[in-house]
Amino acid sequence: DAKTTQPTSMDCAEGRAANLPCNHSTISGNEYVYWYRQIHSQGPQYIIHGLKNNETNEMASLIITEDRKSSTLILPHATLRDTAVYYCIVRGPGFQGAQKLVFGQGTRLTINP
Amino acid sequence: AAGVIQSPRHLIKEKRETATLKCYPIPRHDTVYWYQQGPGQDPQFLISFYEKMQSDKGSIPDRFSAQQFSDYHSELNMSSLELGDSALYFCASSRGTVNEKLFFGSGTQLSVL
Repeated sequence: DAKTTQPTSMDCAEGRAANLPCNHSTISGNEYVYWYRQIHSQGPQYIIHGLKNNETNEMASLIITEDRKSSTLILPHATLRDTAVYYCIVRGPGFQGAQKLVFGQGTRLTINP
Repeated sequence: AAGVIQSPRHLIKEKRETATLKCYPIPRHDTVYWYQQGPGQDPQFLISFYEKMQSDKGSIPDRFSAQQFSDYHSELNMSSLELGDSALYFCASSRGTVNEKLFFGSGTQLSVL
């Protein structure tokens, strides 16, 4: 699976949009970009994933560049509860039953009041 | 909605003792993944099971073993515990089809004294 690079930490004001970048320059054509987050010592939580089109759900938006070498996770109206470590993970299709997520460093996002 | 259930939530053991962690996946999920997260570290993949067979293996020590039972729950057995085994252990489940999301439990905090 392709390696990702994320900022170690970021700050964002409450109520503003939080934009978290991720570089994955070695991504392959069949690999998806996944975003998970981990709020202090809780189990990682799925946020969103995409292949090449931009995606949006009730939690966030995912913008993937046309060359797919980078992406941005957008939390449109950050709240204090969004303070967490955010992981950008590139995952290939794998095979049935063996599609682990490989967690890298992640970005520690702090939402400030 | 039903989530992944892990037990116990906390476990305290002495060095050289044995520990058993249990994981109950989301109903109709046939794949289970185990992760270890040391203090200040990112989750590390240990092992996974699909349809009661081992499907993938990561950096799991030989002292650890795991299995998935006929009702799809899984157990992680850890013997000859060492101080360095103190960590959060997460279980995740998914359906075994390609590109399925992983859902994580709340974890078991293991402390080895």
